[in-house]
Amino acid sequence: EAGVAQSPRYKIIEKRQSVAFWCNPISGHATLYWYQQILGQGPKLLIQFQNNGVVDDSQLPKDRFSAERLKGVDSTLKIQPAKLEDSAVYLCASSLTKGRADTQYFGPGTRLTVL
Amino acid sequence: GEDVEQSLFLSVREGDSSVINCTYTDSSSTYLYWYKQEPGAGLQLLTYIFSNMDMKQDQRLTVLLNKKDKHLSLRIADTQTGDSAIYFCAEVTNAGKSTFGDGTTLTVKP
Repeated sequence: EAGVAQSPRYKIIEKRQSVAFWCNPISGHATLYWYQQILGQGPKLLIQFQNNGVVDDSQLPKDRFSAERLKGVDSTLKIQPAKLEDSAVYLCASSLTKGRADTQYFGPGTRLTVL
Repeated sequence: GEDVEQSLFLSVREGDSSVINCTYTDSSSTYLYWYKQEPGAGLQLLTYIFSNMDMKQDQRLTVLLNKKDKHLSLRIADTQTGDSAIYFCAEVTNAGKSTFGDGTTLTVKP
């Protein structure tokens, strides 16, 4: 079974530029999550999708971050414009449903460096 | 609000047992998880425990939950060098919200 795929693996941009990350969840997984993991910290949930609808985006900085999951499969996360403090690893995860005991499978992450 | 605390570092010798501790604040937490993260990789679920349990064992892993003190621990028996990684504790509340600790870096010395 293929895992969660993310691209690119690494991205370096200058502040005020835009950047987009892509995630392809495990086939058949209805729930998709985007996390931000700053160096030395645990992952922080940015947004959770159930199919193509948003379940929780309470911690997403909506003035600069946006995410979509068209057709309930792949998802993109965009930052526009980027700030220095956005430097982090962006992790995508998926689970079969949104049940609390459902295992979340994580992708390898995209490491973003904002200069 | 939710908060999950872990000690930052733990160092053990190969073959010893490792105990990683975690405290959480939300009494409505229903599930508590342990994840492992190796360098450059995403998080791998190791085990989880439901809040009405006080112990769960899975091969070399033993999870203990003290709900009264909101304390969770992960014991790894016969720790190997391949167990060196960052271990994250996470809670999931009744509302389905996940909160992760900042991770404990486990170093296993040969």
